[in-house]
Amino acid sequence: QKEVEQNSGPLSVPEGAIASLNCTYSDRGSQSFFWYRQYSGKSPELIMFIYSNGDKEDGRFTAQLNKASQYVSLLIRDSQPSDSATYLCAVNPDVAGGFKTIFGAGTRLFVKA
Amino acid sequence: GAGVSQSPRYKVAKRGQDVALRCDPISGHVSLFWYQQALGQGPEFLTYFQNEAQLDKSGLPSDRFFAERPEGSVSTLKIQRTQKEDSAVYLCASSLDPSGGGRTDTQYFGPGTRLTVL
Repeated sequence: QKEVEQNSGPLSVPEGAIASLNCTYSDRGSQSFFWYRQYSGKSPELIMFIYSNGDKEDGRFTAQLNKASQYVSLLIRDSQPSDSATYLCAVNPDVAGGFKTIFGAGTRLFVKA
Repeated sequence: GAGVSQSPRYKVAKRGQDVALRCDPISGHVSLFWYQQALGQGPEFLTYFQNEAQLDKSGLPSDRFFAERPEGSVSTLKIQRTQKEDSAVYLCASSLDPSGGGRTDTQYFGPGTRLTVL
């Protein structure tokens, strides 16, 4: 079992729709959770981070964290073609896990105009 | 302001050659990470520095990989006797967080070095 799992996609949504991206993690003691966006041939850039259970909203993006179920999700409202990219879920494990950040393989999102 | 820079952007090496990849983090950033990203995969952690101290090198795949950050700023990732399986994009990231080891702080990524081993 991978430590951070994501559906590889591609996930295809029409422009203006809500895109829902999901991620599960195996380390129950994980401390912090990040969503990065990576355009083809570019480096990852942070979209959002979340530390506490519940929802966190930033513009068109909402991150949701459920530590009991060990999943974190990202909702993108009013999806735009420019949102087409790979979305990487990243998790920082508990202290015993060292300093590494563990990334999922990413979900490819296509937003159709 | 200036972001994280990496050089070279592209490197082609013959199998068996040694390579050195450079990372210039954002000025003042305490934490520095190296990742390896294979095509179609997420970044895989290699090593972590807090200033000049290498606090975690658990992700280095073999003793052919070596990283240093002698003055707590610029870092170099060295790969000795390169193999075809080393072909990947090598990403460097830095974060400001001086105490959490980057655990809870935003990491800013450089553009990466694409290494191709023939």
